[in-house]
Order: sequence, then structure tokens, then C-alpha cells
Amino acid sequence: ELKVEQNPLFLSMQEGKNYTIYCNYSTTSDRLYWYRQDPGKSLESLFVLLSNGAVKQEGRLMASLDTKARLSTLHITAAVHDLSATYFCAVVPMDSNYQLIWGAGTKLIIKP
Amino acid sequence: EAQVTQNPRYLITVTGKKLTVTCSQNMNHEYMSWYRQDPGLGLRQIYYSMNVEVTDKGDVPEGYKVSRKEKRNFPLILESPSPNQTSLYFCASSLQFGGGYTFGSGTRLTVV
Repeated sequence: ELKVEQNPLFLSMQEGKNYTIYCNYSTTSDRLYWYRQDPGKSLESLFVLLSNGAVKQEGRLMASLDTKARLSTLHITAAVHDLSATYFCAVVPMDSNYQLIWGAGTKLIIKP
Repeated sequence: EAQVTQNPRYLITVTGKKLTVTCSQNMNHEYMSWYRQDPGLGLRQIYYSMNVEVTDKGDVPEGYKVSRKEKRNFPLILESPSPNQTSLYFCASSLQFGGGYTFGSGTRLTVV
């Protein structure tokens, strides 16, 4: 069974702290997405990681992909309240029948 | 503005009453997909379409129908809705499968 597991599912942290969200997947894949969702809103694309060792950064967020370990991380540096949201990762299996497999999401709350 | 437009945003209906949720994109995207989002389950794909007149089942197609008669439109049809189809639905499009995805604003459906 294809699985994408995110850890943690819920994270409450203080502003200014660093933390990492993990995304493990059970199938061979070389394409992984990170999305952000604010409460009651749609999903916003953050990063597309296309190869082993890919690293992308946007502001206080940095995402990386290790296809051999089947692991992606989303690192938050010096968190600010505006980053409070739910973060999803999704993978495209190598033998995909045009399906995108999603993690359950990590709800991040950043307290002032 | 490039966007995916879903209608309606909110819908309450009764069991068995046929309904259609519309989805339209103005980006000339080939790939379109429908997802449902339920708490703790992430996003699950219902149906997808690679191009006009080309559609296929996702992970949870039971109880749903789609059509792709024009490139821009990809309606989701519930012929006989049931309470277990109460969910938040998202339409998404991409220039091609595997590229960046643009999501609609979502449709919150309640079936009583």
C-alpha cells in the first residue's frame, strides 16, 4: 500500500524557534510537493522537489528531498506567527497511474 | 488572473438529490483532478483527466462521475449523494501531470 506519513501531525511552537516537519513515503518517487493550507482556505503550492538532494528555500522555509531514504523535510527557521497553517506533502509514485499521494498534513501553530 | 474556479462554495443537500459541482480553469491546463479532504486523511483523489474526453478513476471514485467535454471545465457529479460524501472538495489543474498544481477555493458539501 502506498503511504505518505507526516510527522508530527500537530505542532505548537513559539515564535523565533526552529523546527522540522518530516514526510516519509513508502514508494519509489523522484517528485515531491509541499503545500500550505490556511484554515478554511485552498491549498497554496510552496515547493516542488524534483530530484534526489534537491533543496529549495523561500523565506523562513526550506525543503529538501532524499529519494534514497524516501524522506523529505520542511525546515522552519525563526518561526513567525504568519507561518501558522497546515502543511501537506504529496508524492508522485514512479509507477504512478497519474495519482498524487498525500500526507495527512501537519497543523502548525506558532504562538507570539 | 490565472485561477481555478469552483462553484458553489457551500452546499447543503439531501440524500439522493443529484448535484453537480462545477470547476473551470483559465490557464489552458491539460490535467485536472478532483479531491476530497476529510480530517486526518489528507487529500484523496476522486477522478482525474489528462485531457478532453480522457478521464480515469482515482482512489475513491465510488458515488461520483465526471466529464471533460471542454478543456477548461471538469464538473463533478454526484448522482445520488449520501451522508458519507459530506466533505470538502477541491478541484486542481496543472499544465501537465507532475507539474505545479493550482487549486480551486473548495466546495464544502453537506449531505443530510
